[in-house]
Amino acid sequence: GIQVEQSPPDLILQEGANSTLRCNFSDSVNNLQWFHQNPWGQLINLFYIPSGTKQNGRLSATTVATERYSLLYISSSQTTDSGVYFCAVGGKTSGSRLTFGEGTQLTVNP
Amino acid sequence: EAGVAQSPRYKIIEKRQSVAFWCNPISGHATLYWYQQILGQGPKLLIQFQNNGVVDDSQLPKDRFSAERLKGVDSTLKIQPAKLEDSAVYLCASSHYRGRSAYNEQFFGPGTRLTVL
Repeated sequence: GIQVEQSPPDLILQEGANSTLRCNFSDSVNNLQWFHQNPWGQLINLFYIPSGTKQNGRLSATTVATERYSLLYISSSQTTDSGVYFCAVGGKTSGSRLTFGEGTQLTVNP
Repeated sequence: EAGVAQSPRYKIIEKRQSVAFWCNPISGHATLYWYQQILGQGPKLLIQFQNNGVVDDSQLPKDRFSAERLKGVDSTLKIQPAKLEDSAVYLCASSHYRGRSAYNEQFFGPGTRLTVL
């Protein structure tokens, strides 16, 4: 099946700093989603982005499907950004199933 | 628009007991998924329903896990008998269905945290 690798596994920032999270995947995809899992375990949809670039406030994401990677940018980080960020992909040969990476644990200190 | 609902939020049981989880998807979503998330890992798909039919249950441990979606809306996931390694968060998700290769953004419920002692 499709493989998903996220980096870095852990990231510690001071409030106000910027960061970039990376997701590499091993095959062609028709679905790529970024999620934020908050401390209560809820997965919050950030972006549906199988290709191209999107922005939502302080967050933006870019997927380069031909090179099999996606980037999530967080600018002017806030303590409420803390949590685990997951990249999940749906391979073109695997139907609607999402395969998740292991996540990036982000801690933003005041 | 109401999100995906799940209950209970927490459950503690002894090994070899049985347990059931309930999920109500977003209204109008034909596809429903159950994922298992073990602490420190990303969620992994257990089973996928399209309306009331099973599309993918290749990763469901069928000797102890079962799931149903009788009327194409709500779904129940059951574990019988539970093992210690079943301790995890069980997440339900739903999406529209617009074809195998089309836009199928998934939305997740709050999960049920299961502890098996």
